[in-house]
Amino acid sequence: QSALTQPASVSGSPGQSITISCTGTSSDVGAYNYVSWYQQHPGKAPKLMLYDVTNRPSGVSNRFSGSKSGNTASLTISGLQAEDEADYYCCSYTSSNTLWVFGGGTKLTVL
Amino acid sequence: QVHLVESGGGLVKPGGSLRLSCAASEFTFSDYYMSWIRQAPGKGLEWISFISSSGSTTYYADSVRGRFTISRDNAKNSLHLQMNSLRAEDTAVYYCARSSYGSPNLDSWGQGTLVTVSS
Repeated sequence: QSALTQPASVSGSPGQSITISCTGTSSDVGAYNYVSWYQQHPGKAPKLMLYDVTNRPSGVSNRFSGSKSGNTASLTISGLQAEDEADYYCCSYTSSNTLWVFGGGTKLTVL
Repeated sequence: QVHLVESGGGLVKPGGSLRLSCAASEFTFSDYYMSWIRQAPGKGLEWISFISSSGSTTYYADSVRGRFTISRDNAKNSLHLQMNSLRAEDTAVYYCARSSYGSPNLDSWGQGTLVTVSS
């Protein structure tokens, strides 16, 4: 099972909005509303930011939002802050016999 | 506060075996699905295995199927990963994480344990 496709890097200035895409296939992202997003700071464990495409866990800022169109899911961060600088990973349920698949990750730089 | 603590990592030779454990506390372990996810040095996350709350259903990534076995002991609030026939490419930090249903909503993670496969 190939990893979902994410841009290697994105950047934005404080206060701006950025969007990270996560492209899969009709067997994973396109077939199910089971996409989650994780934030990982260097040397730390990942943190769940969104699940089931659009849902935010308790405690996650509403500056983080998700959407999906066809085989591509997206994470949007509005009002960028310095602490948002991290790696972001998407993950999707897949109909293959493996169950879940991660994206390759995107490094977000806050300029 | 949910607490997941991995242990059992270390240095092992290619072809060797290792058993990882994940101790869970501060939540009802038997109510949750559990997974192992790994991250090779400088690389991205890779989901490798899942086990249902009862332990009756398991899934594996193609990269580890047939070599790794996931199991759990709900009486002891523990999750395990038996890793056999280890390869250099299995070198990674291994995380355990919980989810509440079939969606990949991995809402709590351990701090990870490093496995190094090298001669």
